[in-house]
Amino acid sequence: AQRVTQPEKLLSVFKGAPVELKCNYSYSGSPELFWYVQYSRQRLQLLLRHISRESIKGFTADLNKGETSFHLKKPFAQEEDSAMYYCALGSQGGKLIFGQGTELSVKP
Amino acid sequence: GAVVSQHPSWVICKSGTSVKIECRSLDFQATTMFWYRQFPKQSLMLMATSNEGSKATYEQGVEKDKFLINHASLTLSTLTVTSAHPEDSSFYICSARRAGTSGRNEQFFGPGTRLTVL
Repeated sequence: AQRVTQPEKLLSVFKGAPVELKCNYSYSGSPELFWYVQYSRQRLQLLLRHISRESIKGFTADLNKGETSFHLKKPFAQEEDSAMYYCALGSQGGKLIFGQGTELSVKP
Repeated sequence: GAVVSQHPSWVICKSGTSVKIECRSLDFQATTMFWYRQFPKQSLMLMATSNEGSKATYEQGVEKDKFLINHASLTLSTLTVTSAHPEDSSFYICSARRAGTSGRNEQFFGPGTRLTVL
């Protein structure tokens, strides 16, 4: 079965602390994975995708096929990083399968 | 580039009426559009996949007669909630996949439509 799991519903850290948002997936083929972010009262927007291996706003994510994980990391969290983060898996027909989402709260 | 709009941004209607929500890709052509429901601080639930010029494909458990989807052009898809009831109140989000990107799954999202059924 195709599935995305984000085990943490809420993650609260202090400004300047490292942050890691966990994402595990289940997929039989070669996965295409994404992280989307939704700031308060804004639309969902793409943060990064594994095929690009890029760093956006200081965030990185590495695909670990052995652990079937695609965790999102940032070494020093900022208050403006507070948002909902969704891990998503590309599926047949262009569908995206979303995880449950993790709310990141960065406190001053 | 790759902007998706939705109209209206919010709507309040009486129980039993129908509501139409539009999703437009403003600066690109979208052969495929997707419709989602989202509950507060919860994930997006895919309702259906809409392909231009053909019938929509609905996810399991989604009533196709309740949620009518039309994708008449490469830039417009509509979702009509028929005979709306309070339990249909939700945040409806559309997304679009750019034409010519059949090998990629990146989607561009609209801002969503808040539907409240009284």
